[in-house]
Amino acid sequence: QKEVEQNSGPLSVPEGAIASLNCTYSDRGSQSFFWYRQYSGKSPELIMFIYSNGDKEDGRFTAQLNKASQYVSLLIRDSQPSDSATYLCAVTQGGSEKLVFGKGTKLTVNP
Amino acid sequence: NAGVTQTPKFQVLKTGQSMTLQCAQDMNHNSMYWYRQDPGMGLRLIYYSASEGTTDKGEVPNGYNVSRLNKREFSLRLESAAPSQTSVYFCASKITVNYGYTFGSGTRLTVV
Repeated sequence: QKEVEQNSGPLSVPEGAIASLNCTYSDRGSQSFFWYRQYSGKSPELIMFIYSNGDKEDGRFTAQLNKASQYVSLLIRDSQPSDSATYLCAVTQGGSEKLVFGKGTKLTVNP
Repeated sequence: NAGVTQTPKFQVLKTGQSMTLQCAQDMNHNSMYWYRQDPGMGLRLIYYSASEGTTDKGEVPNGYNVSRLNKREFSLRLESAAPSQTSVYFCASKITVNYGYTFGSGTRLTVV
C-alpha cells in the first residue's frame, strides 16, 4: 500500500496568520493531488487540487506541489477561526483513479 | 441536487447481525467508492466500482461485500458484523479523477 504522510498536529495558529500544512507521498506514479477539509463529525469536502509542479492559488488557499521531492503543501493565508478543522491530503494511487488519504492534520485557529 | 446520499446515518448492530449501507448519487458519476474512517487510521478504501457492473477490492475488504445496482447506487453489506467494524463509513463518487471525490454525509456504525 502506497503511503501518504501528514503531521497529525494539532497545529495551532493565531487568527490572521498563515497556516502551513505538509504532506509527503511514496508513490512516484501519483498524478493528482488533493486537499480536503473535514469539520468534526462531518464528511470531507474538497478545497484544492493540483496536478503540475508549482503553486496553485484559490482565494486564501495555495497548494504547492514538488513531484521530485514527493511533497505537497497547503498554505492558508489570513487564517480564520472557521478554518479550524482537520485537513486531509489525498493522492492518486499510481496510474489508477483511487485516492489514498493521509491521516490528516488538525488545525486550530485561535481568535 | 442532493449529491451523494447515504442511509442510514446511524446504526447500532449486535455482533453477528447483518446489514446493508445504501449509497446513491444523482450526479451521473461513473465511479463510486466506500471508505471507512477510524481514529488515528484515516480514510481507508474498502471497495470501489469504476463503472456500472464492475467492483474491485480496496485496502480493507475483508468482512464486506458490495453491489453496484445501477449507475446511481452502490451498496455495502456486512454479512456478520464484528466489533472491529465499528467505524464511520463514507460513500464517495466522482466523474473523473481530476475533479476529486464528492462524499456522502457518512454512516456511523457501532457493533456491540
